Amino acid sequence: SAVISQKPSRDICQRGTSLTIQCQVDSQVTMMFWYRQQPGQSLTLIATANQGSEATYESGFVIDKFPISRPNLTFSTLTVSNMSPEDSSIYLCSVAPSGRASYNEQFFGPGTRLTVL
Amino acid sequence: KQEVTQIPAALSVPEGENLVLNCSFTDSAIYNLQWFRQDPGKGLTSLLLIQSSQREQTSGRLNASLDKSSGRSTLYIAASQPGDSATYLCAVVYSGTYKYIFGTGTRLKVLA
Repeated sequence: SAVISQKPSRDICQRGTSLTIQCQVDSQVTMMFWYRQQPGQSLTLIATANQGSEATYESGFVIDKFPISRPNLTFSTLTVSNMSPEDSSIYLCSVAPSGRASYNEQFFGPGTRLTVL
Repeated sequence: KQEVTQIPAALSVPEGENLVLNCSFTDSAIYNLQWFRQDPGKGLTSLLLIQSSQREQTSGRLNASLDKSSGRSTLYIAASQPGDSATYLCAVVYSGTYKYIFGTGTRLKVLA
């Protein structure tokens, strides 16, 4: 397994601003993932972040809106840019420590609850 | 379209009951299926992972089964307790996509 922490745990932001969410893992992992969970909904994958390469974004998500950094094997950031109330969600990072492929068991961080006014 | 459906959406049971949560997926070609628990406003806790070659996995009072041919998985919780109250999510990785697709979850409430 892996122990994952996220900062901040929650935040309330103004429309038009940006927030950077940090994800820290207690061991080196190849693949990290960022998910969004809108109120009352299930999780939707935003992007896959591999160290040393550009993040791979899912349909409906773009780098200008959700830039991601992956400077090393234990850390990643997700920025939510130019926020609107529709961005109010829980943002979660996850890792697949058992191997290189995303189809291995995933472990999740505690999430960042974002409210945009 | 590859989807994951969970029924029921919500469930309320008295303490001590055995219960079954259902997860259906549209394509039998999967790599694995994972069950998670999510407490309100929190992240996800991994409960059980079933690889495509397996039929079931057990952990304590939890037992998860997988039937790929019918596109179904069930999570059995024995002797439920109020502490089991949470939302239970299943997630499937379809072959060829290597990505988790989550169901909408079942909100479980166990009454003391």
